[in-house]
Amino acid sequence: KQEVTQIPAALSVPEGENLVLNCSFTDSAIYNLQWFRQDPGKGLTSLLLIQSSQREQTSGRLNASLDKSSGRSTLYIAASQPGDSATYLCAVGYYTGGFKTIFGAGTRLFVKA
Amino acid sequence: EAGVAQSPRYKIIEKRQSVAFWCNPISGHATLYWYQQILGQGPKLLIQFQNNGVVDDSQLPKDRFSAERLKGVDSTLKIQPAKLEDSAVYLCASSPPGLAGRTDTQYFGPGTRLTVL
Repeated sequence: KQEVTQIPAALSVPEGENLVLNCSFTDSAIYNLQWFRQDPGKGLTSLLLIQSSQREQTSGRLNASLDKSSGRSTLYIAASQPGDSATYLCAVGYYTGGFKTIFGAGTRLFVKA
Repeated sequence: EAGVAQSPRYKIIEKRQSVAFWCNPISGHATLYWYQQILGQGPKLLIQFQNNGVVDDSQLPKDRFSAERLKGVDSTLKIQPAKLEDSAVYLCASSPPGLAGRTDTQYFGPGTRLTVL
């Protein structure tokens, strides 16, 4: 059974710091992995999507890597800003009797000005 | 392009009452999802539609939850009767058509926050 874990559950950093959020999954037979951002009271916004054949994706100050063999993905945020404060969710897409998506519980990030 | 629309945004009901949520996906998106997100947890898939057919409803509590997608566009999710543990945010998402039913990026609506007293 696929399980997704995110560490840490919460993180507080000063503005300008580079940081790494971690996501691990138990079954390496995935189709894709997606990182989302969720602001309080809002829906989810897709940040980066990595297909199983890819190793990483970049968008601005964000870089996500994927290591299927070890069941891990990391989201790297460079030069963090207070506006980056949100919950970051990792979601794994895989096939078992149909396509399924399973989410981690998220990492709550607070960037202090 | 308009995003995924959901209503209402907030709902407070007493236990054992009924409630319904509505979702309008992005135009042309064949796949529609309903998720339940309990505070402090990630979203959990309740039901997935491909056009107007159900692809996956394995985690839908069918004794009290029901969902339909009329004409492959709008969808409604109903809870009858509600329990205290149903308090959560209900998120709707949609995806454009993919190869062999596979899914790529999901686009989420703002969600409906349900409080059951």
